Amino acid sequence: QKEVEQNSGPLSVPEGAIASLNCTYSDRGSQSFFWYRQYSGKSPELIMFIYSNGDKEDGRFTAQLNKASQYVSLLIRDSQPSDSATYLCAVLTSGTYKYIFGTGTRLKVLA
Amino acid sequence: DAGVTQSPTHLIKTRGQQVTLRCSPISGHKSVSWYQQVLGQGPQFIFQYYEKEERGRGNFPDRFSARQFPNYSSELNVNALLLGDSALYLCASSFGTGGNGYTFGSGTRLTVV
Repeated sequence: QKEVEQNSGPLSVPEGAIASLNCTYSDRGSQSFFWYRQYSGKSPELIMFIYSNGDKEDGRFTAQLNKASQYVSLLIRDSQPSDSATYLCAVLTSGTYKYIFGTGTRLKVLA
Repeated sequence: DAGVTQSPTHLIKTRGQQVTLRCSPISGHKSVSWYQQVLGQGPQFIFQYYEKEERGRGNFPDRFSARQFPNYSSELNVNALLLGDSALYLCASSFGTGGNGYTFGSGTRLTVV
């Protein structure tokens, strides 16, 4: 079992729809969870992070964390073609300083 | 303010050679981490340095080494290059140890031929 798992996609959604990206992790002791966006040929950029169970909203983005189910998700409301990118889930592993990344989900927003 | 800067942006090396990649963190950031990203995969952790001390090492061979300087800049060295070392090498910095997220540089694209 991979430490951080994501569906590689592509996930295609029409413009204006809600895109839902999911991530599961194996280390039950993990404390911090991050979503990064990576455009083709570019480096990852931080969208948001979440520590506590529940939802955290930032503009059009909502991160959801369920530690009991070891599940993190990212919702993008009113998706735009400019949101088309690969979305990486990262987990800060307990007792270490390293992020474990998933392989990323490629999102395509269709105009 | 300048972001995380990496140099060079691209380089091509021959198998068996050695390479040094450089990173300057955001001003005030004391932590630097290095990641390797192969096409189609997520970044893989190589090293983390905080306050000039190694705080973490990933599952990479001893051919990989790094250090952090008094000004918090960092170098990643890879010896005896293999074809499989071809990847995008990313440097990331944060003020603390990464609990609030890292800022990544634009990366160094290494091609080993």
